[in-house]
Amino acid sequence: GAVVSQHPSRVICKSGTSVKIECRSLDFQATTMFWYRQFPKKSLMLMATSNEGSKATYEQGVEKDKFLINHASLTLSTLTVTSAHPEDSSFYICSAPLEGVRRGYTFGSGTRLTVV
Amino acid sequence: AQSVAQPEDQVNVAEGNPLTVKCTYSVSGNPYLFWYVQYPNRGLQFLLKYITGDNLVKGSYGFEAEFNKSQTSFHLKKPSALVSDSALYFCAVRDDSGNTPLVFGKGTRLSVIA
Repeated sequence: GAVVSQHPSRVICKSGTSVKIECRSLDFQATTMFWYRQFPKKSLMLMATSNEGSKATYEQGVEKDKFLINHASLTLSTLTVTSAHPEDSSFYICSAPLEGVRRGYTFGSGTRLTVV
Repeated sequence: AQSVAQPEDQVNVAEGNPLTVKCTYSVSGNPYLFWYVQYPNRGLQFLLKYITGDNLVKGSYGFEAEFNKSQTSFHLKKPSALVSDSALYFCAVRDDSGNTPLVFGKGTRLSVIA
């Protein structure tokens, strides 16, 4: 249980285009979703926190207008990379906290974005 | 603010030997500690966590970790390494206040040599 489905798993796009990444909670309601970015051979850096029905909270240094996060329902959070550039190429992972006795986190399988 | 240190970028161990991947943490309040493993171009796989209770936590695939409050450590261990254990390992921490995100260490690459 407590699965987050993330897609696409891989996407290649041209510079200047936008890409949307979706994370769906399949068997639970995710009121909160964390979005991470991972550079090659590096750790996961928190980009933003989305909460259902409210504006996302972005970490320092993350451009709000570039990385648009929407959490319109309890089962879907999206990250849109707008006007993508090669430096946006990275591995993006979403994560939802689990409530109650589980008190852990479930992670999406990640999206490898390559901007050419 | 929370932080995690994984002092080793790389750990090499022979197959069949015990392995240890080190992790120390800093957090205000009670720590929730986690270990995850990542294979190339994949998401994170949960290994184990410490929330409360016994300091020795047993997890998936034969891994275990010991919570040491005085040393603020949570080292990952396995008695006998397998080649298939070769991967990137992340230690992560959060405090006990609500739905805060995990803070990850930089990761340690484990290489198990046959």
